[in-house]
Amino acid sequence: DTEVTQTPKHLVMGMTNKKSLKCEQHMGHRAMYWYKQKAKKPPELMFVYSYEKLSINESVPSRFSPECPNSSLLNLHLHALQPEDSALYLCASSLRQGVNRNNSPLHFGNGTRLTVT
Amino acid sequence: SQQGEEDPQALSIQEGENATMNCSYKTSINNLQWYRQNSGRGLVHLILIRSNEREKHSGRLRVTLDTSKKSSSLLITASRAADTASYFCALANSGGGADGLTFGKGTHLIIQP
Repeated sequence: DTEVTQTPKHLVMGMTNKKSLKCEQHMGHRAMYWYKQKAKKPPELMFVYSYEKLSINESVPSRFSPECPNSSLLNLHLHALQPEDSALYLCASSLRQGVNRNNSPLHFGNGTRLTVT
Repeated sequence: SQQGEEDPQALSIQEGENATMNCSYKTSINNLQWYRQNSGRGLVHLILIRSNEREKHSGRLRVTLDTSKKSSSLLITASRAADTASYFCALANSGGGADGLTFGKGTHLIIQP
């Protein structure tokens, strides 16, 4: 088991639904990340939060809306998704942002398997 | 942000053999990390090697870094069936600014019992 908890583990939603993915960590990490992973592909960075502030948005469509209510929680709100958005959504955290400067490895949750019908 | 390129894309070996996978990149880096992903699970951090380091060990894992050739290798010795997984190298570019990791395409390793 990982120290980053993601819920739900599986989610099936229609294109008109609104749903949210949740991520929680209690390691005192101050940077949190959302990645999207399609089958047999590497994870792709979507968003980075540092000290509860959005610092990176990798040109993600507005139907994905991140939220960081506090240093332990990260949400991803979903609305009007398309079938091609079906993927494994991975949350990760690191001690500090600046994986580069601070050499902080990422700790991943086990993901939410999302299917859009 | 740059992406590493792993080689080979897939590797199948017998249990007990050593497995070597490589990662090449194009621009300068501050560090390079290796992660493992079991099917349908999250990624697990294995080793981080800094640009001023040439080799690191962790149990049966050995990572090398050659910044002149812009390449890294991950060696798993005495492989076990449980080592079956996808292995990704991940890069954090040198230079400051907000950043996450960019993952290579990965090597899918199968250990035959």
